[in-house]
Amino acid sequence: GQNIDQPTEMTATEGAIVQINCTYQTSGFNGLFWYQQHAGEAPTFLSYNVLDGLEEKGRFSSFLSRSKGYSYLLLKELQMKDSASYLCAVQDSNYQLIWGAGTKLIIKP
Amino acid sequence: DAMVIQNPRYQVTQFGKPVTLSCSQTLNHNVMYWYQQKSSQAPKLLFHYYDKDFNNEADTPDNFQSRRPNTSFCFLDIRSPGLGDAAMYLCATSRDTGGSYNEQFFGPGTRLTVL
Repeated sequence: GQNIDQPTEMTATEGAIVQINCTYQTSGFNGLFWYQQHAGEAPTFLSYNVLDGLEEKGRFSSFLSRSKGYSYLLLKELQMKDSASYLCAVQDSNYQLIWGAGTKLIIKP
Repeated sequence: DAMVIQNPRYQVTQFGKPVTLSCSQTLNHNVMYWYQQKSSQAPKLLFHYYDKDFNNEADTPDNFQSRRPNTSFCFLDIRSPGLGDAAMYLCATSRDTGGSYNEQFFGPGTRLTVL
């Protein structure tokens, strides 16, 4: 079967750095997406990785290792508004998106 | 601004009473999706349209139907809502279904309550 694993919940301090991991087992791979979802709101796109390595976009970076079936989202200089769920989604060989259940990130002052 | 719009934002219905949720987009995207999301769970894809071609997920109950009368609009019909259908329903669009073109743009969602 196809599976995406993320930690259920993480806690971090304002101003710090946090890394949210995602591991996947899917039938084929055509890219990995990270989305942010605030409580009661729709997901919004953060990043897309299809090649190995690090993609940096402001305070957020996303890393991919296809051989390990692994990605992480790195958030720097955490702000209170970063409190949200972070969803990892992998596009399989049929270009279908397989979604993880998300990691709820709690930021404390 | 180009966007995905869902109406209503909150919908309350009675057990067994049909309900229709609507979605419209101004992005002129080819693909439209309907997801069901329950608290702390991954979004569950119900079906998607590539233009007028309808694609139903194998495990989507027959109770759920969809219509896409034109490029801009898509509807989700729940014929006989049960208590287990209470959830957030998300509409999303993408330019295409491959690679980075599968970046999905979501509407704000409709939260359905079944009494």
